[in-house]
Amino acid sequence: QQQVKQSPQSLIVQKGGISIINCAYENTAFDYFPWYQQFPGKGPALLIAIRPDVSEKKEGRFTISFNKSAKQFSLHIMDSQPGDSATYFCAAPYNNNDMRFGAGTRLTVKP
Amino acid sequence: GAGVSQSPSNKVTEKGKDVELRCDPISGHTALYWYRQSLGQGLEFLIYFQGNSAPDKSGLPSDRFSAERTGGSVSTLTIQRTQQEDSAVYLCASSPLARGDTQYFGPGTRLTVL
Repeated sequence: QQQVKQSPQSLIVQKGGISIINCAYENTAFDYFPWYQQFPGKGPALLIAIRPDVSEKKEGRFTISFNKSAKQFSLHIMDSQPGDSATYFCAAPYNNNDMRFGAGTRLTVKP
Repeated sequence: GAGVSQSPSNKVTEKGKDVELRCDPISGHTALYWYRQSLGQGLEFLIYFQGNSAPDKSGLPSDRFSAERTGGSVSTLTIQRTQQEDSAVYLCASSPLARGDTQYFGPGTRLTVL
């Protein structure tokens, strides 16, 4: 039943390193692919999103890379910082109306 | 401006009791979502409202779960005859539209069933 497959489940990166999280989706009802960031005890919040008329979107240290033919997209965090330690969720279209989230990736950035 | 609010923030109940969880979305947002997040787990979709109607109820785990939305605003998630496996954080999100739009999440209600 899983429409959005996210990997890895957990990720440990050294400070200054690159964190990469991947997502694969099935439904292509509409084009909007966001990543959300969740800190403990808080609700998720939008981090960055792409509408894939482009294959890449960059905002500061965060980049989404999109491969429409493969139905995959990824989040890259450059120069990872301890403050980036959080759980990251991708989301993708489910049907004509709404979206589903991936299972989440718990990122730990070690100082 | 005001974000999505949820109440109560914490709820402890005994097995078999009914509970009601409330969500106040951002004013003017037509779409509203309920999710469940078990400890350390992902976001399990429960139900989606567009206005007061629920086009997608497919995530409700059993007939003990129900939800309504009134006036295109406040939503209530009701869990009848609670079970221990219902213990989780229940998150509400709202969105100006549904497809292709940002979901704004509330802080969640932590439900503990003893």
